[in-house]
Amino acid sequence: NAGVTQTPKFQVLKTGQSMTLQCAQDMNHNSMYWYRQDPGMGLRLIYYSASEGTTDKGEVPNGYNVSRLNKREFSLRLESAAPSQTSVYFCASSELGRAQETQYFGPGTRLLVL
Amino acid sequence: GQQVMQIPQYQHVQEGEDFTTYCNSSTTLSNIQWYKQRPGGHPVFLIQLVKSGEVKKQKRLTFQFGEAKKNSSLHITATQTTDVGTYFCAGMFSGGYNKLIFGAGTRLAVHP
Repeated sequence: NAGVTQTPKFQVLKTGQSMTLQCAQDMNHNSMYWYRQDPGMGLRLIYYSASEGTTDKGEVPNGYNVSRLNKREFSLRLESAAPSQTSVYFCASSELGRAQETQYFGPGTRLLVL
Repeated sequence: GQQVMQIPQYQHVQEGEDFTTYCNSSTTLSNIQWYKQRPGGHPVFLIQLVKSGEVKKQKRLTFQFGEAKKNSSLHITATQTTDVGTYFCAGMFSGGYNKLIFGAGTRLAVHP
């Protein structure tokens, strides 16, 4: 099992460009999450999907959209990238989205917006 | 809003010295999890604490959850170079969906 996979690993965008970050998990997990990690700020939740067909905003959703394509895949879209969105983006999944569950993280996507 | 404060931000130790990182919340947590992230890597789950006053050990690592379930600590005894990385606590608050709120992390450097 690959666990949680993310593509691409690295990306450079110009301000105003759009892109989609892809995430897939092969653990048959119901819940999936997108975080961003900035220096000195830990991980902040952007959006999450409790189960297939549902998505909800996290702490910092502005400037992002998400799609839960199916149970395996959860994508994050930047419609018009801004330098403030330069960050490392992690996708994670958990089995049922209940309290006391471990979250499993992907390797991350490093995004630079010029 | 709900926040989890973590200190210190950085810690440099000599190999063999002990290390402790602390997390605090102004409101009661339903549980707290600890993750480790190696340089250039992704967060990896270490442990979860649920009960008031709970103490758990993993070899040289000791995790504690406060009696009021508002604070937690991770203590590493006799650090090794393999302990290098950033340690995050992540709290889950009662009520609402089960979202983790991460602390800012403590970056540990171990000098041989």
